[in-house]
Amino acid sequence: EAGVAQSPRYKIIEKRQSVAFWCNPISGHATLYWYQQILGQGPKLLIQFQNNGVVDDSQLPKDRFSAERLKGVDSTLKIQPAKLEDSAVYLCASSLDRWGSGNTIYFGEGSWLTVV
Amino acid sequence: GENVEQHPSTLSVQEGDSAVIKCTYSDSASNYFPWYKQELGKRPQLIIDIRSNVGEKKDQRIAVTLNKTAKHFSLHITETQPEDSAVYFCAASGLLGNYQLIWGAGTKLIIKP
Repeated sequence: EAGVAQSPRYKIIEKRQSVAFWCNPISGHATLYWYQQILGQGPKLLIQFQNNGVVDDSQLPKDRFSAERLKGVDSTLKIQPAKLEDSAVYLCASSLDRWGSGNTIYFGEGSWLTVV
Repeated sequence: GENVEQHPSTLSVQEGDSAVIKCTYSDSASNYFPWYKQELGKRPQLIIDIRSNVGEKKDQRIAVTLNKTAKHFSLHITETQPEDSAVYFCAASGLLGNYQLIWGAGTKLIIKP
């Protein structure tokens, strides 16, 4: 079974520039998550989609971050303009469904962002 | 809302000894408790999980115990091996939290040869 695919794996940009990350979840998974993981910390949920609708984006810095999942499959996370504190690993994850607890979340390898 | 506290933040054990990591949660309605292992530079991967209708679950050298009354759950690794070195995260979710996974801060497990 193919896992969660992400690209690019690594990105270095200057502050105030923009960057976009792409994610393709496991086939058939309705729920897609974007997490931010700063070095030495646990994952922080940025946004959660159920199919192509947003379930939770309460921790997404909406002045600079945006995400979409137009056709309910692939998703893109954009940062514009980037700040130094955005340096982190951006993990995409997916699960079969959000309803009912106990749906295993599968993570992608992550997109490592360094803002200089 | 739900809050998950994880201890210790760093744990160093001799190879072959046992390691125990403990998490406490605040929402008594939480009913799903997974544990993820994250090796350096890798993605988090589920290693074991437990639901609130079960008190203990084992998978080879790994076990998880749940005490609903005290609202804590623990990860037990026996006969530790060098490949167990990683950061371990606990999490909890339940109906009141709309099934959002609330994560602990992580425990860095170091296996000394």
